[in-house]
Amino acid sequence: DAKTTQPPSMDCAEGRAANLPCNHSTISGNEYVYWYRQIHSQGPQYIIHGLKNNETNEMASLIITEDRKSSTLILPHATLRDTAVYYCIVRKRSSNTGKLIFGQGTTLQVKP
Amino acid sequence: DTAVSQTPKYLVTQMGNDKSIKCEQNLGHDTMYWYKQDSKKFLKIMFSYNNKELIINETVPNRFSPKSPDKAHLNLHINSLELGDSAVYFCASSQDRARNTEAFFGQGTRLTVV
Repeated sequence: DAKTTQPPSMDCAEGRAANLPCNHSTISGNEYVYWYRQIHSQGPQYIIHGLKNNETNEMASLIITEDRKSSTLILPHATLRDTAVYYCIVRKRSSNTGKLIFGQGTTLQVKP
Repeated sequence: DTAVSQTPKYLVTQMGNDKSIKCEQNLGHDTMYWYKQDSKKFLKIMFSYNNKELIINETVPNRFSPKSPDKAHLNLHINSLELGDSAVYFCASSQDRARNTEAFFGQGTRLTVV
């Protein structure tokens, strides 16, 4: 699975959009981009995933560049409850194992 | 209803003891996992089971023995506990291992070995 690079930390003002970047320059054509987050003292939580088109759900939007070498997770109106570690993970479409390889992630601090 | 539940939530025990952590999922998923999160918050997979069959063992010491009595349960038994086993252990499940479905995680079991 391709390696990802994320900034270690970011701040965001409450009510503003949080834009979390992820680089995955070695991504291959059959690999998806997944985002999970881990709120303090909780288990990781799935947010969204995509292949090459932009995706949106009730939690967030995922913007993937045309060359697929980077992506941005957007939380449109960040709240204090969005403070968490956000993980960008690249995973093959058909995995023999289903495992997720977590990096260090980005710690997002939403401030009032 | 909790989708993936682990017990206990906290476990404090002495070195050398044997302990078990239980995990149950009510999602009807075929695949279950154990992940370990160490003191530096690094989250790493330990085991994966698909329909009660072991499919991943990520070079985990054989003091750790997962057991899956049925596809809704994946328990983790640890023998001869060591200080370095102190960590948070997360159970997870997904619909199956191959398709692009998300994984659901339990709330974690914080194991402290003293």
